[in-house]
Amino acid sequence: KNQVEQSPQSLIILEGKNCTLQCNYTVSPFSNLRWYKQDTGRGPVSLTIMTFSENTKSNGRYTATLDADTKQSSLHITASQLSDSASYICVVSANSGYALNFGKGTSLLVTP
Amino acid sequence: GAVVSQHPSRVICKSGTSVKIECRSLDFQATTMFWYRQFPKQSLMLMATSNEGSKATYEQGVEKDKFLINHASLTLSTLTVTSAHPEDSSFYICSAPPQRESSGYTFGSGTRLTVV
Repeated sequence: KNQVEQSPQSLIILEGKNCTLQCNYTVSPFSNLRWYKQDTGRGPVSLTIMTFSENTKSNGRYTATLDADTKQSSLHITASQLSDSASYICVVSANSGYALNFGKGTSLLVTP
Repeated sequence: GAVVSQHPSRVICKSGTSVKIECRSLDFQATTMFWYRQFPKQSLMLMATSNEGSKATYEQGVEKDKFLINHASLTLSTLTVTSAHPEDSSFYICSAPPQRESSGYTFGSGTRLTVV
């Protein structure tokens, strides 16, 4: 069964600090992995997309890594801002069409 | 970039009534649209896939007579929750597939449905 597990479930950090969110998956055959940011009461917004051959990809203060061998990905947020408070969702696609496998997300709260 | 406009953002309705949620692709044509439901602190759960010009494909356990999906044009897909019950209260989100290999799925802003 294709699964996507995220950790931690929730996280509280001080403004300006860094943090790393984890995503482990069992989706096979693997196509790509996406990280999304979802603000409360809003739809998800894409942060990064990584394919099998990519190890790291950055988008501003967000840096995603992928280890396709161990089926693990991380999202590193540097110099956190209050606006980073949101749920971060890891989504893994298999090669079969449009099927997406969603993690439950990590709820991040950045405090002053 | 691609934008999907979803309306309404919030709706409160009485039990037994029907509610229609619209998703429009603003600057591109979407032959396919995905409809999700999300409960608090849970993953997005795919309900159905709408296809322009043909019947929607429903996921197992989703009642197609209750959740009516219509993909009337290349830019509009609608989800109608019929005979709404309080347990239908949830966050509903639509999504269009990537327009390019390197882009992500484009999600609507979501609709918070509360059935009282």
